[in-house]
Amino acid sequence: DQQVKQNSPSLSVQEGRISILNCDYTNSMFDYFLWYKKYPAEGPTFLISISSIKDKNEDGRFTVFLNKSAKHLSLHIVPSQPGDSAVYFCAGGGSQGNLIFGKGTKLSVKP
Amino acid sequence: DSGVTQTPKHLITATGQRVTLRCSPRSGDLSVYWYQQSLDQGLQFLIQYYNGEERAKGNILERFSAQQFPDLHSELNLSSLELGDSALYFCASSVANTVGIDEQYFGPGTRLTVT
Repeated sequence: DQQVKQNSPSLSVQEGRISILNCDYTNSMFDYFLWYKKYPAEGPTFLISISSIKDKNEDGRFTVFLNKSAKHLSLHIVPSQPGDSAVYFCAGGGSQGNLIFGKGTKLSVKP
Repeated sequence: DSGVTQTPKHLITATGQRVTLRCSPRSGDLSVYWYQQSLDQGLQFLIQYYNGEERAKGNILERFSAQQFPDLHSELNLSSLELGDSALYFCASSVANTVGIDEQYFGPGTRLTVT
């Protein structure tokens, strides 16, 4: 049972355009969601978070949107840069402490 | 640099053997988490320790065990290794906020290869 799903294994975007990474979840008990970026041979790097009581959180070029009724969240990167090319994971968290991760979306930003 | 350190970076061993992976959390973080990432898989939660005590267990095999020491560093012990145990093992740490968002910070991982 996959509680967090990232249905697009990969996404290719032109530099300067918007990247939209999507994530769906089934567990209504998540209190918050986190996005991580992962480069090859490195650990995941925390990017941005959103509480389940919010519908938007913005940090520079990164914005996360949460639609609780649809159990869907998305990460927007504007403008996309070649250095953003990485695998992006969304994760749900809550009182249980541990994070439940999706399988990731590989973003390629073309110059 | 997340402030979480893991050793060793790479480990190659044979089936049936036992290995120990080590993790030092960020300064001030009381909670340590272990995750496994196999090929084409997301990160799977194994186990969490908080201030020396086991707090939560995920999909951790009985052949695997962990502990957190008084100085808060943690070790993950993998025994009777099988080929399928080959994976990246990540440690993460957090302050373990009980209210609000508890961000976890990940180490660089240990790549385990079982031959």
